[in-house]
Amino acid sequence: AQSVTQLDSQVPVFEEAPVELRCNYSSSVSVYLFWYVQYPNQGLQLLLKYLSGSTLVKGINGFEAEFNKSQTSFHLRKPSVHISDTAEYFCAVSDTIGAGNMLTFGGGTRLMVKP
Amino acid sequence: DAMVIQNPRYQVTQFGKPVTLSCSQTLNHNVMYWYQQKSSQAPKLLFHYYDKDFNNEADTPDNFQSRRPNTSFCFLDIRSPGLGDAAMYLCATSRETLLNFYNEQFFGPGTRLTVL
Repeated sequence: AQSVTQLDSQVPVFEEAPVELRCNYSSSVSVYLFWYVQYPNQGLQLLLKYLSGSTLVKGINGFEAEFNKSQTSFHLRKPSVHISDTAEYFCAVSDTIGAGNMLTFGGGTRLMVKP
Repeated sequence: DAMVIQNPRYQVTQFGKPVTLSCSQTLNHNVMYWYQQKSSQAPKLLFHYYDKDFNNEADTPDNFQSRRPNTSFCFLDIRSPGLGDAAMYLCATSRETLLNFYNEQFFGPGTRLTVL
């Protein structure tokens, strides 16, 4: 069984400041890791994913995340946020067992960017 | 553009009145998923179709059913909606193979269901 914990339910930050959204996971097997963004009343959009290789993953909209196997973490970062980054962010994990690659989501972090 | 389409975007139904939500895709993906997302919560997988094979999550209530008449369309039927079924329902698709490499899930915009 796998699980995902997003440690912060809300993160307020001022525009142009850096931000880190934290994500920890637990799994007994190798995992694939993802960050999705959800704007109000919309579906989920993939920001970035870690499948293998370099532990630093760059995604869209200037976001990046670092996979840390020893700490079982996959924190999302952006050096300078914009008002338009205000949204809900979900960390998700998928293991390598079985077909369909099921996603398990964390509880979400609401990023609130203030002017 | 290839995409996942959900209709309607907003659906209002009455307590106990059956309702059907629709999802279509132009991506020609073989796997389709239905998620339920309640307010301020993470999406929760209800079931998925791998090709024509239906896979129900263990804790999905019997009140929820699904149909996939062809590759492009998938329906979510709620037989007797209760107040607790009010949520955003998200459809997603992916292309999967037996080699089990990860392939991204593409999400539709969702249907927000209100139960009166």
